[in-house]
Amino acid sequence: EIVLTQSPGTLSLSPGERATLSCRASQSVRFSYLAWYQQKPGQAPRLLIYGASTRATGIPDRFSGSGSGTDFTLTISRLQPEDFAVYYCQQYSNSQYTFGQGTKVEIK
Amino acid sequence: QVQLVQSGVEVKKPGASVKVSCKASSYNFASYGFSWVRQAPGEGLEWMGWISAYMGNTNYAQNFQGRVTMTTDTSTSTAYMELTSLRSDDTAVYYCARFGTGYSEYWGQGTLVTVSS
Repeated sequence: EIVLTQSPGTLSLSPGERATLSCRASQSVRFSYLAWYQQKPGQAPRLLIYGASTRATGIPDRFSGSGSGTDFTLTISRLQPEDFAVYYCQQYSNSQYTFGQGTKVEIK
Repeated sequence: QVQLVQSGVEVKKPGASVKVSCKASSYNFASYGFSWVRQAPGEGLEWMGWISAYMGNTNYAQNFQGRVTMTTDTSTSTAYMELTSLRSDDTAVYYCARFGTGYSEYWGQGTLVTVSS
């Protein structure tokens, strides 16, 4: 099983600031089969990024994903009020898919 | 637009089973599969497995092997997830999501399953 470790656990930032979230895998994620999701309280997760760097339909371009192998990053270029939420990475490169434990982006 | 509508709240006793449904609409049901993901109160997301809608091929997470069964009914465009031998730590919101190439773009609204004596 590939273990995904997200850091930091909580990120305290102000609107307009840049957010950088990390997702590190315990072994290489083949083909960069890594996705990022956003989740707000009481809501289902929302797909942001798949294939490490491809934005899902309707996702603003302030969200970008990068990385390969074992190190991946989600960047939110300028935080908007609606971006404060919990973010999860997920790998789907082997038969046992796994999620990271999440990073909470909160208002400073 | 693609919609996944899940069944309602369930309250079960320890040792019982639960079967959650997920009705899909507005796309070709047979062309995609379903992932099931759960989230315990205040916790993160946990992948449970997936099923292909047309062939019924399944891939279960090792943590749930032997306790989970995923099925689909193409005649009603509905997916099902049954979990047996329920324990208190199975209390969670259970989500279905349309599964394409590993990631999930469309999600159901979630079904709260509470296990309590």
